Amino acid sequence: NAGVMQNPRHLVRRRGQEARLRCSPMKGHSHVYWYRQLPEEGLKFMVYLQKENIIDESGMPKERFSAEFPKEGPSILRIQQVVRGDSAAYFCASKDSGRPETQYFGPGTRLLVL
Amino acid sequence: SQQGEEDPQALSIQEGENATMNCSYKTSINNLQWYRQNSGRGLVHLILIRSNEREKHSGRLRVTLDTSKKSSSLLITASRAADTASYFCATVVDRGSTLGRLYFGRGTQLTVWP
Repeated sequence: NAGVMQNPRHLVRRRGQEARLRCSPMKGHSHVYWYRQLPEEGLKFMVYLQKENIIDESGMPKERFSAEFPKEGPSILRIQQVVRGDSAAYFCASKDSGRPETQYFGPGTRLLVL
Repeated sequence: SQQGEEDPQALSIQEGENATMNCSYKTSINNLQWYRQNSGRGLVHLILIRSNEREKHSGRLRVTLDTSKKSSSLLITASRAADTASYFCATVVDRGSTLGRLYFGRGTQLTVWP
């Protein structure tokens, strides 16, 4: 059973460009969380999605950030018009309904904004 | 506000010694989890302890939870160089609206010298 997959693992963007981060949850998992980790800090919750629904986006900046989890395909975290402060590691985690307490994390995407 | 706060921020020990890390949190919780993160990698789930549990063991790991003090500790016995990593506690708060999101502390950086 493959784990949570994220791609790309590293992403370099110039200020003003768009960043698209992908997350494929573990097989059978229909819940996805996105977290952001700034250097030397812990992870901060951004958004929680189920298939085709955003359940909780209270941790996501109001502007430039959006997330989706379509019926088919990976979950996408999209950052428009990136700024240097967006440089961070972005992790997604998935879980299934049967074990609501355990989230399985992907390896992360490290975004660097030049 | 941040739920978990680990203490100490950094810990340096010799192989074979025990390592103890502490975590404090602010609001009532459903469960508390410990994760490990190797440098530049994703998070690995170590152990989960529920609010009605006081102690849990998993191999060389021992976790305690004191809900009256809102604190937890992670003990790694007979440490190895391979245990070198950052260790994070994360809480799931006891409020239905948060739907399982994890609140992370800043982590303890453990270095085990051979």
